[in-house]
Amino acid sequence: EAQVTQNPRYLITVTGKKLTVTCSQNMNHEYMSWYRQDPGLGLRQIYYSMNVEVTDKGDVPEGYKVSRKEKRNFPLILESPSPNQTSLYFCASRVTGTTEAFFGQGTRLTVV
Amino acid sequence: GQQVMQIPQYQHVQEGEDFTTYCNSSTTLSNIQWYKQRPGGHPVFLIQLVKSGEVKKQKRLTFQFGEAKKNSSLHITATQTTDVGTYFCAGASSMEYGNKLVFGAGTILRVKS
Repeated sequence: EAQVTQNPRYLITVTGKKLTVTCSQNMNHEYMSWYRQDPGLGLRQIYYSMNVEVTDKGDVPEGYKVSRKEKRNFPLILESPSPNQTSLYFCASRVTGTTEAFFGQGTRLTVV
Repeated sequence: GQQVMQIPQYQHVQEGEDFTTYCNSSTTLSNIQWYKQRPGGHPVFLIQLVKSGEVKKQKRLTFQFGEAKKNSSLHITATQTTDVGTYFCAGASSMEYGNKLVFGAGTILRVKS
């Protein structure tokens, strides 16, 4: 089954404790991206990757890092989480170009 | 950079009433996509519009792309409780590096039975 898998689904952490949210897709898509969803703001892109070892900042990259060492994986790293990073996070993948995006199930992160 | 405005932010309708959400882009789009997110779920692709003035239908859903390729709408006829969720438009511009998708803020639809 074609899918994008994120882990964990829920996470509560404390300010400053490094964390990683994993994302994996099995569709051989070149393009992967991370979004955060906040009420009234929709989905805002954090980082994206057009292929292995190619990553770039989206609209709200501050406080986040990513890596793309393999085509299928695109982890999101918060080196020192802060409460303003409390949000719902989605990973998405698609074929490069203007095609539909496939989203993971989401990760609800709370930073206290 | 490119911005996509979506209205209304929220709509509560009686079951059987119609519903429309609108998107406007600050730049000309190469295409526009629509997604639905059920409560507690993730966005799921509904449709993509590419041509100027294009109209597509999916059962009770009608999608339109404006002539200038800067606006779009989603209309649901005779809403049902299964239509509840958040509807997002997402615009892609060929002028944006990587054909980035820019999402509207979404319209939350609630249906009262």
